[in-house]
Formats: sequence, C-alpha cells, structure tokens
Amino acid sequence: GESVGLHLPTLSVQEGDNSIINCAYSNSASDYFIWYKQESGKGPQFIIDIRSNMDKRQGQRVTVLLNKTVKHLSLQIAATQPGDSAVYFCAEFPKNTDKLIFGTGTRLQVFP
Amino acid sequence: EPEVTQTPSHQVTQMGQEVILRCVPISNHLYFYWYRQILGQKVEFLVSFYNNEISEKSEIFDDQFSVERPDGSNFTLKIRSTKLEDSAMYFCASSREGGSVFFGSGTQLSVL
Repeated sequence: GESVGLHLPTLSVQEGDNSIINCAYSNSASDYFIWYKQESGKGPQFIIDIRSNMDKRQGQRVTVLLNKTVKHLSLQIAATQPGDSAVYFCAEFPKNTDKLIFGTGTRLQVFP
Repeated sequence: EPEVTQTPSHQVTQMGQEVILRCVPISNHLYFYWYRQILGQKVEFLVSFYNNEISEKSEIFDDQFSVERPDGSNFTLKIRSTKLEDSAMYFCASSREGGSVFFGSGTQLSVL
C-alpha cells in the first residue's frame, strides 16, 4: 500500500551540529519528493524537493538525498540553528496523481 | 514573495452548521488543493482541483465537502453539515504544473 514513514519521531541535536532526518517510502511509483518544515500553529513550509531522476540536491544549508534502491529519503541540515526546531515531514507524489502523501513527521529539537 | 493566504485563521462552529473556508492561491498557479491535519497527526490529502474541476479526491472528501473557484483568485472549501470529527487544521495549497506545492498557514476549525 501507500505509506511514507519516518524512522525517528524526535531528533535532538546541539546547535551547530549537522542534523539528518530520514524517511522511508513504499510507493516505488513516486517520482517527486518534497521536504517540509512545520512550526507550531503554522502550515508546512517548503524546504527542498527532488525528482526521481536525481539522487542528491542541495539548497542553502540543506541537502536532500534520494536512494531509490532502498526507497529512502533523507534531509541533511548543516550547522543546525535554534530556528530549525520544528517538525519535518517528507512527502511524496506518486506518478500520475495529484495527491501529495505526507509522512508522520520528525520533531527536531535544537539545544544550545 | 508570493504566498497562499487563508481566511479565517480560526473558525468555531456548532455541529450541523455549514462552514466555508477561504483561500487565495498563488496567482500564477494552476493546481489547487485542500489538506487537513488533525492535532498531532500527519497532513492528509482531501482534494485537488485543476481546470475548474476536481482532479482527485480522498475518501475523507465525501458528499459533505465541496470546493469552488468562484472567481479568478479565490478557492473555497465548504463543509455542508459539520461533525465533531471535522475539527482540524485545514490547509490550502497551490502549485504550477509539475511544480512545488506551497501551503497556506491554515484555518483551525473547531466544531462544538
């Protein structure tokens, strides 16, 4: 069936360290993936996306890695800051649908 | 920076009443969506809308729900007869064709 799951519900990191948030997806037909950040009381905020014809994409302080062989997606945040504290969701677009499927979310906590 | 705007930010209603949630998608986007998030849970797809018609809908989107694009800028979600279990944060989103999906800040619906 369709499912997008996250390995760790909570990740605690020290300010300045790098963070890695992982996501497993089960729909091999998905060809587009997005990472979102959600702060309390706000909507999902687009961070970075990647298409299935790529295995890595970099943004400002963030990198997304896609491993289609094991259906795994990760978000790396460099030099994590207190403002990065939020819940992070991966989401997938199965091919030929208009439906974005969200994972359950990982809470990132940054401590000084 | 263009953004999806939603009104109201909070809506309280009595069970059985009709509510209309309003959204202004990003102006050059063609695809419009409604999602919802029950407190503490993941974001769930409700419906997608393209070319003035529903392109896809979930099992949640039953006959009590409807969407409309009444003019060139607004996109609305109507719940005809609200139930207690409709209480959730409702997010509107929009995208260009094949593009990233951007979300609004949400309407918190409380059904009493």
